[in-house]
Amino acid sequence: GAVVSQHPSWVICKSGTSVKIECRSLDFQATTMFWYRQFPKQSLMLMATSNEGSKATYEQGVEKDKFLINHASLTLSTLTVTSAHPEDSSFYICSATRPASGVYNEQFFGPGTRLTVL
Amino acid sequence: GENVEQHPSTLSVQEGDSAVIKCTYSDSASNYFPWYKQELGKRPQLIIDIRSNVGEKKDQRIAVTLNKTAKHFSLHITETQPEDSAVYFCAATTSGSRLTFGEGTQLTVNP
Repeated sequence: GAVVSQHPSWVICKSGTSVKIECRSLDFQATTMFWYRQFPKQSLMLMATSNEGSKATYEQGVEKDKFLINHASLTLSTLTVTSAHPEDSSFYICSATRPASGVYNEQFFGPGTRLTVL
Repeated sequence: GENVEQHPSTLSVQEGDSAVIKCTYSDSASNYFPWYKQELGKRPQLIIDIRSNVGEKKDQRIAVTLNKTAKHFSLHITETQPEDSAVYFCAATTSGSRLTFGEGTQLTVNP
């Protein structure tokens, strides 16, 4: 299989604090990992794309200094929400791709992390 | 960049009826179109996908059609069941790059 985990599954924090979310590919090496944010009743919005050992590529409008992404190994990427505020409360989902023989590398999604900032 | 539009935003059907969700895309270079089912608070689950060299694909009660000329693709669910109730997202991408999602369709299957 291709299993992606996230930790924590939910977190509540005070405004101004930083929160780190981990995304792990458990049974494969992920060439690329993606971070999405999903507000209630909305679609998944891509925040950034990260490749192991290189800087993440952020989507337009996403503050790279606020959402720090580290992809230190082929099985782990972390997203740190710095100085979190209530408007950062959302469902954060990661996905990972693995090398495949086909043209398209399927994305395998993590279970998501519910962040609530008080 | 790619833009994906999805309709309808909500769809309510009676159990046993068919449901159809339609999406259009803007980038003619897109060549892979997955459909995801997402239950509340859960991860998106891939339910079916289609590549640009195929016009139709079917998997039991689920089918997807693709019209490359018109740049639209559709999800068809037949013999709907209450457990089909969820949010469905279409997406488009070009050969392994970023996915662009549609806005989602809340499907409700009434018993």
